[in-house]
Amino acid sequence: EIVMTQSPATLSVSPGERATLSCRASQSVTNKLAWYQQKPGQAPRLLIYGASTRATGIPARFSGRGSGTEFTLTIGSLQSEDFAVYSCQQYNDWPSYTFGQGTKLEIK
Amino acid sequence: EVQLVESGGLVVQPGGSLRLSCAASGFTFDDYTMHWVRQAPGKGLERVSLITSDGGSTFYADSVKGRFTISRDNSRNSLYLQMNSLRTEDTALYYCAKEREQLIHFDSRGQGTLVTVSS
Repeated sequence: EIVMTQSPATLSVSPGERATLSCRASQSVTNKLAWYQQKPGQAPRLLIYGASTRATGIPARFSGRGSGTEFTLTIGSLQSEDFAVYSCQQYNDWPSYTFGQGTKLEIK
Repeated sequence: EVQLVESGGLVVQPGGSLRLSCAASGFTFDDYTMHWVRQAPGKGLERVSLITSDGGSTFYADSVKGRFTISRDNSRNSLYLQMNSLRTEDTALYYCAKEREQLIHFDSRGQGTLVTVSS
């Protein structure tokens, strides 16, 4: 099973600033990496797939980079609605999809 | 519009059983592989099980293998998860989701269904 490790567990950032979240895979997942956003009481929402492609309707301030085992999600100029939990997920190893443990992005 | 409505979550004692259901609408259900994904309190997401569009193949996480059974009824646009020999660590919010082009898609309005295993 591919283990996905996210860092940091919690990130405190002020509105208007940039946030960078990291995700590491225990073995290469090529570019088959997705990012999800989850707010309290809501189901996860797909943000990024293919490591860097924004899903439909996702604002341009969300960007993803990386390949192999190292990935980042950057959110430029944080808006109030961006404070949430972000999870990465690999889908290279079908059917054994695995998620990271999540990074909580909170208001500083 | 895609809608996935989970139901069946309850408080159950360790060793007990429960059957979760997911009612799907807004898309051609029998075209899609479906998943159950859970989230324990304060923990990350865990993909529990999947079933292919025709029900011919299933997959289970090691943590539930031999205890949970996924099934579907394409005539009713419904997905199920039979959960037996429940453990306290199965306590979680359970979501159903559909797979499209290898990606897991949740219903943005989905609430999940809460399973609590406690004596």
